Amino acid sequence: QKEVEQNSGPLSVPEGAIASLNCTYSDRGSQSFFWYRQYSGKSPELIMSIYSNGDKEDGRFTAQLNKASQYVSLLIRDSQPSDSATYLCAVDRNDMRFGAGTRLTVKP
Amino acid sequence: DTGVSQDPRHKITKRGQNVTFRCDPISEHNRLYWYRQTLGQGPEFLTYFQNEAQLEKSRLLSDRFSAERPKGSFSTLEIQRTEQGDSAMYLCAWEALQETQYFGPGTRLLVL
Repeated sequence: QKEVEQNSGPLSVPEGAIASLNCTYSDRGSQSFFWYRQYSGKSPELIMSIYSNGDKEDGRFTAQLNKASQYVSLLIRDSQPSDSATYLCAVDRNDMRFGAGTRLTVKP
Repeated sequence: DTGVSQDPRHKITKRGQNVTFRCDPISEHNRLYWYRQTLGQGPEFLTYFQNEAQLEKSRLLSDRFSAERPKGSFSTLEIQRTEQGDSAMYLCAWEALQETQYFGPGTRLLVL
């Protein structure tokens, strides 16, 4: 049984700050990792995918993966109020497992 | 536009009734997934299709649930004899390149 754990939050950061979201997973054989953003009442939307150890950057977002520690993180630089949402960590393609999500609030 | 539509967007039903949801990919994508999401939780995997073949089903998918994908295009998820615990958002997703999944808008089910 794959488990995916996230800080439950809520996480509150001021506008312009860096938001750091963390995720751990239990299945050492996991190969693919994803971050989704979900606004209230909406479906999840994909932000980033990462497959190899290290960092992957896309605009203001950086995903970090450490398979040895079974740890995935998402950094959001220059946080904006529009980034306020729940961020979901997901692991693997088949029977994808999601964490419960971390609620982020960016205060103007 | 995420490349998949779902119908209906909202459904209210009485306990014991059957309901059916539909998922339509804009184009024929190979893999199609169904998830269920309850308040405060992440989506839970239910099942997925590779073309018309249903390849995996979660233990969450009791005998009251059935899914089909005739001809490998649209998919349906049916819940028989609904229970209040079935109230949730039902999400459909298609798989693009590099195993990434894109979600449809979801069908919100309320069982009274």
